[in-house]
Amino acid sequence: KAGVTQTPRYLIKTRGQQVTLSCSPISGHRSVSWYQQTPGQGLQFLFEYFSETQRNKGNFPGRFSGRQFSNSRSEMNVSTLELGDSALYLCASSHQLGTSNTGELFFGEGSRLTVL
Amino acid sequence: SQKIEQNSEALNIQEGKTATLTCNYTNYSPAYLQWYRQDPGRGPVFLLLIRENEKEKRKERLKVTFDTTLKQSLFHITASQPADSATYLCAPPDTGRRALTFGSGTRLQVQP
Repeated sequence: KAGVTQTPRYLIKTRGQQVTLSCSPISGHRSVSWYQQTPGQGLQFLFEYFSETQRNKGNFPGRFSGRQFSNSRSEMNVSTLELGDSALYLCASSHQLGTSNTGELFFGEGSRLTVL
Repeated sequence: SQKIEQNSEALNIQEGKTATLTCNYTNYSPAYLQWYRQDPGRGPVFLLLIRENEKEKRKERLKVTFDTTLKQSLFHITASQPADSATYLCAPPDTGRRALTFGSGTRLQVQP
């Protein structure tokens, strides 16, 4: 069974640009969560999608957005990039919505974004 | 607000010894707590889950305890090996049980 796949693995952008990251969950998983990981802040929850609807959202500005498609694949978008957006963006899938079933998360390898 | 604390300093131990990592939480009482392992440049990998009504959980060389009075979880690796070197993250759900929140992690280095 294939794991969570994230693309691209690495990318470099400049301030003011926007970026779209993609995540394909494990087959059969309907929940996709996104996390941002930085050395200073650790892993921080961005949002979760379940059955094409955003169900939970962390404390990030509106520049961070996402969506989920009918096949459960998800994308996240960051607009008007800032230097502080440089981070590892991790996608995780699970069977259940959020933590309704002590949902163990299956993470992808992440997308490393560098903003210059 | 809820707070999760893990020792930010790296833990260095000799091969064969038991590694003990600490996760303290304040201002709330999670119903359960998960532990993950993360290798450099990789995503976290789930290891164990322990619920508030469980004192201890074991899986092979791993053991997790959950003390709701002390508001602390301990993660033990017995007979540690160099391959156990990684960062270990504790993750309880947030107060609204909406999402997992992660500690900053403790880096373990096992010396051969």
